[in-house]
Amino acid sequence: DVKVTQSSRYLVKRTGEKVFLECVQDMDHENMFWYRQDPGLGLRLIYFSYDVKMKEKGDIPEGYSVSREKKERFSLILESASTNQTSMYLCASSLRQGALGYGYTFGSGTRLTVV
Amino acid sequence: SQQGEEDPQALSIQEGENATMNCSYKTSINNLQWYRQNSGRGLVHLILIRSNEREKHSGRLRVTLDTSKKSSSLLITASRAADTASYFCATYFYSGGGADGLTFGKGTHLIIQP
Repeated sequence: DVKVTQSSRYLVKRTGEKVFLECVQDMDHENMFWYRQDPGLGLRLIYFSYDVKMKEKGDIPEGYSVSREKKERFSLILESASTNQTSMYLCASSLRQGALGYGYTFGSGTRLTVV
Repeated sequence: SQQGEEDPQALSIQEGENATMNCSYKTSINNLQWYRQNSGRGLVHLILIRSNEREKHSGRLRVTLDTSKKSSSLLITASRAADTASYFCATYFYSGGGADGLTFGKGTHLIIQP
């Protein structure tokens, strides 16, 4: 069964810590995405990548960075965690959408609490 | 930026009834997708409808697309308690830098009352 795996289901970190959220997919997808989801705000795109070492900013990249050294792995980094980064983080992967369009496969999410 | 907007924001119906939720979007699309999210979990892809299609079925799901009105609807027939979830529509974006993907709406929260 193909899947996207996020390394942690729940995470509690202290303000100022550097936080790494890992995402691994086994479908050989080109595209990978990081979203955060907050009540009433829906899914907001943080960063995405369409190839190894390639990355693009989404709608809310401030305070985050990403790394894609291998095709199957896309890491989200909170450089200095703050309480307003407490959220549910969702990773997804897909083939390039192109003209046909393809569904995303999502991970189960990481609920991060920054105290 | 969010292109798709679902309506209503929340919907509560009795088990066995049909549930209809709508999605409106702003710019031209080549396809529109619907996803379901159970509480506290990741989203699951339900169905994709292309711009040259008007209606598509998958089990108890029926999706329609009206490109002239820039809108889509998702109908769930004979609802079950397990259909309780949030439902999102998603439309295509192209970044201009070589990447493409989907933009999601804020979702419709559906509650099926037993």
